[in-house]
Amino acid sequence: QVQLVQSGAEVKKPGASVKVSCKASGYTFTNYAINWVRQAPGQRLEWMGWITTGNGYTKYSQKFKGRVTMTRDTSADTAYMELTSLRSEDTAVYFCAREPIGEEYRYFDYWGQGTLVTVSS
Amino acid sequence: DIQMTQSPSSLSASVGDRVTITCQASQDISNYLNWYQQKPGKAPELLIYDASSLHTGVPSRFSASGSGTDFTFTISSLQPEDIGTYYCQHYNSLPPTFGQGTRLEIK
Repeated sequence: QVQLVQSGAEVKKPGASVKVSCKASGYTFTNYAINWVRQAPGQRLEWMGWITTGNGYTKYSQKFKGRVTMTRDTSADTAYMELTSLRSEDTAVYFCAREPIGEEYRYFDYWGQGTLVTVSS
Repeated sequence: DIQMTQSPSSLSASVGDRVTITCQASQDISNYLNWYQQKPGKAPELLIYDASSLHTGVPSRFSASGSGTDFTFTISSLQPEDIGTYYCQHYNSLPPTFGQGTRLEIK
């Protein structure tokens, strides 16, 4: 069965960086893109960007450009999201979500369990 | 960015009730509209994609319709396990954005 398993909760100080991992299983990793979506307390879900796992092409939300980097390791079937210059407003649960590749597919069909990132001095 | 507005923000209904949630886009998104369910402390799960297509394994009591800017999501007969928050999401263009959510509880 399709599974996306994310790394554990993190506590970071303002100005630090965090790197969250998302390990895929149950399907061919390079046949799907991985999106990253975050959910701050009491807020709606917010798309951060995606990476096509086959060639590593990335597309980031304008809001996070310059602070976010998405990478993948195809030998480990794992995607990563690194966010730098953390501030308190980045406290949120971060999700990875799978997206079928192809213009006709426009949805996130499986999600990781979420990783809580807390930014506090 | 396209703004997505859901209504109501919360609702309480009895088991067996028919429940309807609406979602409005700030501009035409064709049928690129998805619905997700999120249970407390869990990740969202895809229920409906492309405005009206049921995702694999999703019970048939869930349905949705609409196109352009106005969309509707329906649970035909509410079950206790349906409690949670429901989100619409457009994916007509980047960035895909979500509605503010509709919290559903059982009376």
